Amino acid sequence: GQNIDQPTEMTATEGAIVQINCTYQTSGFNGLFWYQQHAGEAPTFLSYNVLDGLEEKGRFSSFLSRSKGYSYLLLKELQMKDSASYLCAVRDSNYQLIWGAGTKLIIKP
Amino acid sequence: DVKVTQSSRYLVKRTGEKVFLECVQDMDHENMFWYRQDPGLGLRLIYFSYDVKMKEKGDIPEGYSVSREKKERFSLILESASTNQTSMYLCASSFWGSESSSYNEQFFGPGTRLTVL
Repeated sequence: GQNIDQPTEMTATEGAIVQINCTYQTSGFNGLFWYQQHAGEAPTFLSYNVLDGLEEKGRFSSFLSRSKGYSYLLLKELQMKDSASYLCAVRDSNYQLIWGAGTKLIIKP
Repeated sequence: DVKVTQSSRYLVKRTGEKVFLECVQDMDHENMFWYRQDPGLGLRLIYFSYDVKMKEKGDIPEGYSVSREKKERFSLILESASTNQTSMYLCASSFWGSESSSYNEQFFGPGTRLTVL
């Protein structure tokens, strides 16, 4: 079967760095997405990785290792507004998105 | 900016009622999707559509049907609502793309929180 695993919840301090991991087992791989979802709102696109390595976008970076079926989202200089759920999704061989359950990130002052 | 709108943010219905959820996108996207989102579970795909009048079953189509008569509009229908259909329903759209090098990320509407009593 297809499976995406992420931690359920993480807590970090304002100004710090946090890494959210995602491991996947899917039938084929055509890219991995990270989305941010604030409580009660729609998910919004953060990043996309299809090749191994690190993609950096301001305070957010995303890493992919296809051989290990592993990705992480790195958030630097955390701000209170980063409190949200972070969803990992893999596009499989049929170009369908398989979603993880999301990681709820709590930022404390 | 891409805009995906859904007809209602909150909806309360009774068991057995027919429920219509509408979604409209303004970016000429070929693909449209209906998901439900429940606590502790990932987004689960109900139905999707690659083109007008086309529909494909997702992972959990039972109890639902869809309609896509126009490119910009994708409707989700609960023929006879049941309490286990109480959920957050999210509509999304994206461009068609068959190459992994293309982002073709999905853009989401604000969601409809449906409660079936």
